[in-house]
Amino acid sequence: AQSVTQLGSHVSVSEGALVLLRCNYSSSVPPYLFWYVQYPNQGLQLLLKYTTGATLVKGINGFEAEFKKSETSFHLTKPSAHMSDAAEYFCAVSGTDSSYKLIFGSGTRLLVRP
Amino acid sequence: NAGVTQTPKFQVLKTGQSMTLQCAQDMNHEYMSWYRQDPGMGLRLIHYSVGAGITDQGEVPNGYNVSRSTTEDFPLRLLSAAPSQTSVYFCASSYSGRDPEAFFGQGTRLTVV
Repeated sequence: AQSVTQLGSHVSVSEGALVLLRCNYSSSVPPYLFWYVQYPNQGLQLLLKYTTGATLVKGINGFEAEFKKSETSFHLTKPSAHMSDAAEYFCAVSGTDSSYKLIFGSGTRLLVRP
Repeated sequence: NAGVTQTPKFQVLKTGQSMTLQCAQDMNHEYMSWYRQDPGMGLRLIHYSVGAGITDQGEVPNGYNVSRSTTEDFPLRLLSAAPSQTSVYFCASSYSGRDPEAFFGQGTRLTVV
């Protein structure tokens, strides 16, 4: 069964620093990969998704992620953190069965220091 | 365009009570699902539906029932609430199984005492 691992339940960066949130999935190549963001007391909002084609995917708010099949990774990056980026981030992959259910990682809370 | 609407936003239940969490979407999406979110565990799939009249179990279905009589609505029923069901519940919808990008509601925070 497909699984997702997000390394680091909390990541703290200074404002203006590089943001790197890590996501690895199990060895079966999923059809789709996603990053979602959750601000306090809100639902999840799509940041970006990978389906096919270019392995570097650009999303909203300056975020991007690169699909690396050889490393089974889909890490999320942003060159310069902003205070408004403080939130919880979830990596998700679609299942490889016909239902295309989404399987979520446990989440990474990003803290941005002034 | 309302998207995915969940009601209520907050609820406190006593152990053994039943209730229904409502979810409605106005995007004509085929696929709808319910997740629960617990600290450190991400989102876990409870039940999902690939269309009206079709439902199936997810990862953590015990204690919950669903039905899908219309494309728009996908209510989640707690049969006999237990403290272990204290959680935040999210409803989501997707255009289809071939395009699983999920659109989420704002969530229902449920406390069972």
